[in-house]
Amino acid sequence: GQQLNQSPQSMFIQEGEDVSMNCTSSSIFNTWLWYKQDPGEGPVLLIALYKAGELTSNGRLTAQFGITRKDSFLNISASIPSDVGIYFCAGHQNQKPDRGSTLGRLYFGRGTQLTVWP
Amino acid sequence: DAGVTQSPTHLIKTRGQQVTLRCSPKSGHDTVSWYQQALGQGPQFIFQYYEEEERQRGNFPDRFSGHQFPNYSSELNVNALLLGDSALYLCASSHRPYKGTYGYTFGSGTRLTVV
Repeated sequence: GQQLNQSPQSMFIQEGEDVSMNCTSSSIFNTWLWYKQDPGEGPVLLIALYKAGELTSNGRLTAQFGITRKDSFLNISASIPSDVGIYFCAGHQNQKPDRGSTLGRLYFGRGTQLTVWP
Repeated sequence: DAGVTQSPTHLIKTRGQQVTLRCSPKSGHDTVSWYQQALGQGPQFIFQYYEEEERQRGNFPDRFSGHQFPNYSSELNVNALLLGDSALYLCASSHRPYKGTYGYTFGSGTRLTVV
């Protein structure tokens, strides 16, 4: 199956610093997603990207869908303590919206553990 | 508006036993997907149910089976448990017709420990 390579595996930064993480794939995806997961919780969607080259922001978060459709990156500006958690990239290959088919499956990276020091 | 509800939250089982995990989708959602998340890994797709049928399946053995009920809730069953089945099992719900992946909502998961 498709493999998503997410880096870095972990980051230790000081409050106020900017953060950048990226994800690459051997396969093309129609959609790239970035999730955050807190301990004991399920992943929560941060940003969804639907078009190659798309740059989308959500508050202090900015993500881009790579031109080749095989990569994506996420930036967090001016980090704060509540940014602590695990960030996952995910790729989605859309199913044809005909009867009998449903939303496609998600392929996840291994995650980036972010620690923010006050 | 309740999100995705999973039960139980934690479970300890012995090797060889069978387990059933439950998921109630978010209101308005009719499709349920199950993911396995081992410690330190990203979630891995197990299967997806829609209209009470398995529509897609990931690379998991037949020991993993599921069911979807008329009210869209779902169960994940794992037979002959192995130590390697210890993981967080996540349920994600969504809806048809296809409206884009933003429709996925994850539950908090069931932490299964096999001893």
